[in-house]
This record gives sequence, structure tokens and C-alpha cells, in this order.
Amino acid sequence: QVQLVESGGGVVQPGRSLRLSCAASGFTFSVYGMHWVRQAPGKGLEWVAVIWYDGTNKYYADSVKGRFTISRDNSKNTLYLQMNSLRAEDTAVYYCARGPPNWGFGALDIWGQGTMVTVSS
Amino acid sequence: QSVLTQPPSVSGAPGQRVTISCTGNSSNIGANYDVYWYQQLPGTAPKLLIYDNNNRPSGVPDRFSASKSGTSVTLAITGLQAEDEADYYCQSYDRSLSGSVFGGGTKLTVL
Repeated sequence: QVQLVESGGGVVQPGRSLRLSCAASGFTFSVYGMHWVRQAPGKGLEWVAVIWYDGTNKYYADSVKGRFTISRDNSKNTLYLQMNSLRAEDTAVYYCARGPPNWGFGALDIWGQGTMVTVSS
Repeated sequence: QSVLTQPPSVSGAPGQRVTISCTGNSSNIGANYDVYWYQQLPGTAPKLLIYDNNNRPSGVPDRFSASKSGTSVTLAITGLQAEDEADYYCQSYDRSLSGSVFGGGTKLTVL
């Protein structure tokens, strides 16, 4: 079935780096734009980044611009989020989500279960 | 503070109709970008509820609908059921931010 599975979360010290992965299955990954969305404990959803289906375009929320990098490997059906210079305010559950086909922005119709990132000394 | 403004909470009794507003500006909803709605049940990932302003994915009951007026969109839920108790989020594109934006979320309580 159509599925997204995130991994790579954990506890990390401020200023350090972490890379999240999102494995896709059950659909043609290379056709769809992909997003990262996060949710701090007890808070609402915050959009983080998007990558076009072919990787040609990438956009970021101001809160992570210059620190986070979204990428994808269509041969491995996997989405990534490289997070550098982590701050306490980056603590959240990180979800990957599927966007529209052949584009980037649009409805997020499939979501993973999320992976928790805790930034703490 | 979210770019899209939603009421923090709404409530209603079973069988009633409730509405949740989502107010933006001329850079997002007012610029005619599509609005999407998500339902997040406690402890689970969000689920797409409404796309392209007022379309429902397969499996979403027709008790859920949305309408748009100017820079605001409203989600309506009719025939309220206990299982509708969840957090609801609106989302759109913002051209001044060149990115997607979410509302702050609305907690629906079924009395």
C-alpha cells in the first residue's frame, strides 16, 4: 500500500547536525513533489520545506533557511532532510508528506507517521 | 503567530453543525491560491480532509465541506459525531513567503 516511513530522529545537542530519511513505497515516488512538515510538542503544524518531483526546485520556511537542506534520491525512493546548526526550537515531530504529481506545492495527501527530533544539551 | 488565522477551539453537540474559519490575506487565500484542510486525531499524523478548496478525497464523508469568501475559507461539519473530535488545520500557498503556510489549528470538541 501507499506508505511513507520516516527515520533518523533522536536526541541531539544544540549546534549539531542530524539527517532524516523518508522511505516511500506503493507509488511512483519520482512523479511527486515531497514535503517536510514539523510539529513542536503541543503545538500546530509548521511547513518546513518542499522539493519538486525531479529535484529541480526547493523551497524552505524562513525559520530553517540556510540551515536545513531537502533532497531526494528517486532511484532509492527516499526523501531526506539534512538539519545543521540545530536549535532547541527545532524540537518537533517531523513528518514527510506527498505533494501533487509533477509539481511541488499543493495538497499533502499521504503522510508518514513522523519521527521525533529533540534538541537538548 | 500563523499567517493563516483559525479560532483555537470550537465545540458542538452530536448531530449539530459547526464551522471553522481560516482567514488569510492578499498573499495567500486572497490571491486565489487553493486551500486545503487536514484532520489530526490525537496521537496520529494529519489526514487530508479537503483539497482544492472544496473537494474530498475518497473515504471522507460528505458531512465535511468548505467554502471561500474573499480572504477567508470556512470548513463546515454537519451531523457532528464523537469521532470528529480532533484538531483541524487549513493550509495554502503564500506568494510573499514563497512557501506553504498552515493555520494555527482548531481543536474541535464534541460535547
